[in-house]
Formats: sequence, structure tokens, C-alpha cells
Amino acid sequence: KQEVTQIPAALSVPEGENLVLNCSFTDSAIYNLQWFRQDPGKGLTSLLLIQSSQREQTSGRLNASLDKSSGRSTLYIAASQPGDSATYLCAVSTTSNTGNQFYFGTGTSLTVIP
Amino acid sequence: DGGITQSPKYLFRKEGQNVTLSCEQNLNHDAMYWYRQDPGQGLRLIYYSQIVNDFQKGDIAEGYSVSREKKESFPLTVTSAQKNPTAFYLCASRAQGVQPQHFGDGTRLSIL
Repeated sequence: KQEVTQIPAALSVPEGENLVLNCSFTDSAIYNLQWFRQDPGKGLTSLLLIQSSQREQTSGRLNASLDKSSGRSTLYIAASQPGDSATYLCAVSTTSNTGNQFYFGTGTSLTVIP
Repeated sequence: DGGITQSPKYLFRKEGQNVTLSCEQNLNHDAMYWYRQDPGQGLRLIYYSQIVNDFQKGDIAEGYSVSREKKESFPLTVTSAQKNPTAFYLCASRAQGVQPQHFGDGTRLSIL
């Protein structure tokens, strides 16, 4: 069964710093990987989706990379802002004859200090 | 405005009672998912449905039931057999192909 781990569990940085969040998964036979943001008491907001054939995706200050062979993905946030404070989750999807299933990490709680 | 609507936002269940959580989407997505989120744990899949009138058990389906009679609706019933139902429940949907999941704002279920 696929297991997804996110390190660190919590991170606190001063405003303006660049930072990297890590996600690792045990089974490299993934269909795609998705990064999400979750604010307290809210649902998840999709940030980036990387297909298994891709190496990276970018959106604004965010860049996500994928190394399937080593079972790793990173989310790079440039020039962090207080509004980036949230929990960031990664999820990998696998396919079967019954469809796509998604496996989530436990998240990294990010605090950006003004 | 397209999106996923979950209701109610907060729900309380008495012992021995079944409760139903609503999930409606107007994104015309084929696939829908129900997850449970507990403090300090990642999201765990309860049930998912790829098309109308078909659904599959996820990793923690015991004590839950679903139906998918309409494309836009995927209600989740938490039965009295679920002994530890207190959690944050999230519904998601996704279009076919390599497409991102979209989530509702969740329902928080507590026991009275």
C-alpha cells in the first residue's frame, strides 16, 4: 500500500525567505502528484498537479518537482509572505481497474512571520 | 460559480443515530470522493465513485455508506456502526483524465 510522508511536520520562517517542503512516497508507480493548501477549518485548495511523466510544474511563486524513481517531490515557495501560512499537503494517485485512488501525507504546517 | 458544496458545516450525532452528509458539485465532474481527516493524520479515503450508480470502498469504509444516483450528488451516511465518527469530513470531485481534485469546505461531525 502506498505511504506518503511529509517532512518537516511544521516550519516557521521569516517573511521573504525561500523555502522547500518535502514529500516522499513508497511506491513509484504513481499516476500523478498533487500539492494542496489547507487553511484552518477549511477544505483543500489545489496548488499544482504534476503528471507522472513530468519533472516539474510552476505557478507564480510556487514550483513543484517530481522524481518518481526516488519517490520524492518538493514544493518550493519563493519570497514567502504571511498569507502563505497554512498547512501544505501532498497526495499521490494510483490507478486500478476501479479508478484513481489518492493517498495523502499528513502535511507541513507553515508559519511565515511578518 | 462552479464548485463543491458540503452541508451542513457542523453536525452532531446522538448515540445509535445515522446521519447523512451532503455533497453537491456543479463542475460536471465524473469522479467524486469522500475523505475523513483526523488531527495529526492525513486524509483517509472512505468511498469513491467514478460514474453514476457505481462506487468503491476506500481504506476505511466500515460504518459508512454512500449512493451515487445523480452525477452531481454523492451523499455519505455515517451509520451507528461507526464507533468513532468524530472527524472532519471532506468531499472532492475530479474530471476524467489527469485532472486535479477539487474539494468542498468540509463538514465537522461531533458526538453528543
